[in-house]
Amino acid sequence: DAGVIQSPRHEVTEMGQEVTLRCKPISGHDYLFWYRQTMMRGLELLIYFNNNVPIDDSGMPEDRFSAKMPNASFSTLKIQPSEPRDSAVYFCASRRTGGYNQPQHFGDGTRLSIL
Amino acid sequence: QKEVEQNSGPLSVPEGAIASLNCTYSDRGSQSFFWYRQYSGKSPELIMFIYSNGDKEDGRFTAQLNKASQYVSLLIRDSQPSDSATYLCAVDMRFGAGTRLTVKP
Repeated sequence: DAGVIQSPRHEVTEMGQEVTLRCKPISGHDYLFWYRQTMMRGLELLIYFNNNVPIDDSGMPEDRFSAKMPNASFSTLKIQPSEPRDSAVYFCASRRTGGYNQPQHFGDGTRLSIL
Repeated sequence: QKEVEQNSGPLSVPEGAIASLNCTYSDRGSQSFFWYRQYSGKSPELIMFIYSNGDKEDGRFTAQLNKASQYVSLLIRDSQPSDSATYLCAVDMRFGAGTRLTVKP
């Protein structure tokens, strides 16, 4: 089975530009998660979806961040306008509904640099 | 705020030794507990999960869970240089900051 697919792998852009990160979860997985990883703050949960519905977005840092999941096979995380402090690795993860032993499967991440 | 705390490290052990990694969590209602390994520049990958009190062994790895103390640990026996990585504790869907482990030949 194909794993979680994220694009782009790397993004370098200037402050103030709009950034869109994309994720395709594993087929059959009902949950999708967006994380941000930095040296200072570790792996932070930004938002997660269940059956395409946002369940908890309390980790989204500011209104500049938004996430959507229009269907079961696609999600986006958008930053507008971007700022240098948004530079980080952004991971998407998915998992299936089930018991307590359902782990998350991570994509390769998008390394974002805002100049 | 639901928090997951790990011993900050870095942790360095000689090859063949036991590495001990610890994690505490704040939400007493937490149900699922995972250990992930993350190599530099890579994404986290699952090592083990545990959801009931006690020990769970898988090869050289043993996970321990104590819900009364809100404590999870991971023991790596016969540590190998290839075990050198950052180990992340996950409680439900939240992660600790990770402990960097170096195994010296």
